[in-house]
Amino acid sequence: EAQVTQNPRYLITVTGKKLTVTCSQNMNHEYMSWYRQDPGLGLRQIYYSMNVEVTDKGDVPEGYKVSRKEKRNFPLILESPSPNQTSLYFCASSPAVYSNQPQHFGDGTRLSIL
Amino acid sequence: EDQVTQSPEALRLQEGESSSLNCSYTVSGLRGLFWYRQDPGKGPEFLFTLYSAGEEKEKERLKATLTKKESFLHITAPKPEDSATYLCAAYSGGSNYKLTFGKGTLLTVNP
Repeated sequence: EAQVTQNPRYLITVTGKKLTVTCSQNMNHEYMSWYRQDPGLGLRQIYYSMNVEVTDKGDVPEGYKVSRKEKRNFPLILESPSPNQTSLYFCASSPAVYSNQPQHFGDGTRLSIL
Repeated sequence: EDQVTQSPEALRLQEGESSSLNCSYTVSGLRGLFWYRQDPGKGPEFLFTLYSAGEEKEKERLKATLTKKESFLHITAPKPEDSATYLCAAYSGGSNYKLTFGKGTLLTVNP
């Protein structure tokens, strides 16, 4: 089954404790992206990757890091999480950049930073 | 800056009561207008892509249309299982392939 898989689905942690949210897609997509979804603000892009070893900032990159060492994986790293990063996070992928094909989303990771 | 505005924020319908959701957009050079459905606790699920003004797409009780300034999602004779948040997103062809999302319309269909 074609899918985008995120782990963990839920995480409660404390300020300053490094964490990684994994994202994996099995569709051989070139493009991957991370979004956060907050009430009243909608979905906002954090980082994106056009292909392996190619990543760039989205609209709200502060406090986050990403890497793309393999085509299928695009982890989101919070080096020193803070309470304002409490949010619902989505990973998405798409066949190619510069196309208007839809992005496919994972089921989300709900992070609570205390 | 690209902007997408959805209205209403919430809509409550009786089963069988048809209605429309609105998505107005301000983007430079629209390359695609996407509609997604999001259920609680799930990621957005792709419904339609519209590429040019005048285009229409249909799927079961849903029909999406596009003009030069807005898109409509028409829901005909809705059922309770159509209850969800419907998201609209625009792609202007930028190098980051960023989707600009609206804040969504929460649709509730009562039996």
